[in-house]
Amino acid sequence: ETGVTQTPRHLVMGMTNKKSLKCEQHLGHNAMYWYKQSAKKPLELMFVYNFKEQTENNSVPSRFSPECPNSSHLFLHLHTLQPEDSALYLCASSQGTGTGDHEQYFGPGTRLTVT
Amino acid sequence: AQSVAQPEDQVNVAEGNPLTVKCTYSVSGNPYLFWYVQYPNRGLQFLLKYITGDNLVKGSYGFEAEFNKSQTSFHLKKPSALVSDSALYFCAVRDTGGTYKYIFGTGTRLKVLA
Repeated sequence: ETGVTQTPRHLVMGMTNKKSLKCEQHLGHNAMYWYKQSAKKPLELMFVYNFKEQTENNSVPSRFSPECPNSSHLFLHLHTLQPEDSALYLCASSQGTGTGDHEQYFGPGTRLTVT
Repeated sequence: AQSVAQPEDQVNVAEGNPLTVKCTYSVSGNPYLFWYVQYPNRGLQFLLKYITGDNLVKGSYGFEAEFNKSQTSFHLKKPSALVSDSALYFCAVRDTGGTYKYIFGTGTRLKVLA
């Protein structure tokens, strides 16, 4: 186990549904990330939070809405998604986002299917 | 612009043979380089990193990687492959001369044949 948990592990939702993904890290890290993983494509960084403040939004559509209530928890709220949003959504954490050489620790991911 | 290339979608190697998974990068400053492994239905796991110093870096599960500045490469190696090494491997870079963003490659699937 990496110390990063994600729920649910699998999610099937219709295009009109609203759902949320949850991530929790037990490593005492200050930075948390959301990535989208699609087959044959590089990991796409979506959002970065450092000390609960959003430091990066990588031109993500507004149908994805992140929330970081504290340094240990990260949510991704989903609404009116499109079929092309089907992917594995990975949460990660690291000690910081600054100039350090910090590696990232990843959760197991949520496999999202939009029907 | 920063980028990472993993030129092989898949690498096949016989068990017991040495393996190499290739990675090249492009950054504006000095790179921080990482290798991660992903097993089925799991997230990425950190294997090793190069920050500075010795060009040969040793990591988890017997893996090592060689930093070559002139060739801008950071190939992952293991002297003797195991069937259990079969997984998806990702190279990543942080550009110390730029935004310090993590940039990941597309991944290389390693298949170790018994």
